[in-house]
Amino acid sequence: GENVEQHPSTLSVQEGDSAVIKCTYSDSASNYFPWYKQELGKRPQLIIDIRSNVGEKKDQRIAVTLNKTAKHFSLHITETQPEDSAVYFCAALSGGSYIPTFGRGTSLIVHP
Amino acid sequence: EAGVVQSPRYKIIEKKQPVAFWCNPISGHNTLYWYRQNLGQGPELLIRYENEEAVDDSQLPKDRFSAERLKGVDSTLKIQPAELGDSAVYLCASSWQGAKAVEQYFGPGTRLTVT
Repeated sequence: GENVEQHPSTLSVQEGDSAVIKCTYSDSASNYFPWYKQELGKRPQLIIDIRSNVGEKKDQRIAVTLNKTAKHFSLHITETQPEDSAVYFCAALSGGSYIPTFGRGTSLIVHP
Repeated sequence: EAGVVQSPRYKIIEKKQPVAFWCNPISGHNTLYWYRQNLGQGPELLIRYENEEAVDDSQLPKDRFSAERLKGVDSTLKIQPAELGDSAVYLCASSWQGAKAVEQYFGPGTRLTVT
């Protein structure tokens, strides 16, 4: 089955810095990669996703890149703000199973 | 548009007691998921429904867990009897499943504490 590794487990940055979270996956059939943000005690919320037919996708201060050959994808947050502080989860899905495999999460702390 | 609704939000029970969680998905979403999320980890799938049919339930501990989705809308997840290790957040999610994987929308979860 699919295995998703996520790093780092904790990331501490100063407000205004960039943050990068990296994930690797094992199943070459995976073709959909969503990222979720989960604030303390709240539901995971989809913030951006990417499909295997593109290499990069941007939405304002967040972007995701995908390297299919190396089987890794990354979340990039620029100009971080304290409200970006949360746990971020990556996931990988293959079109055939519809079952996402989640990474273990990255706790992002943005210091004012 | 209303999101995924779950109840209760919190539940504290003693071990060996039964417990049930309820989920109302986003209107029109044909696929419903139940996840368990342990502290410091990502959600792990327990069961997935397409309409009223359970199509992925290999991760559901069937000796104590059961689920149903009557009429293909609301769903209930039950644990009987609960064990200490069942303490976790139980998340429900829904999506409209077409030909390719699409985004899932999560409910707020039910935080279960088994004492």
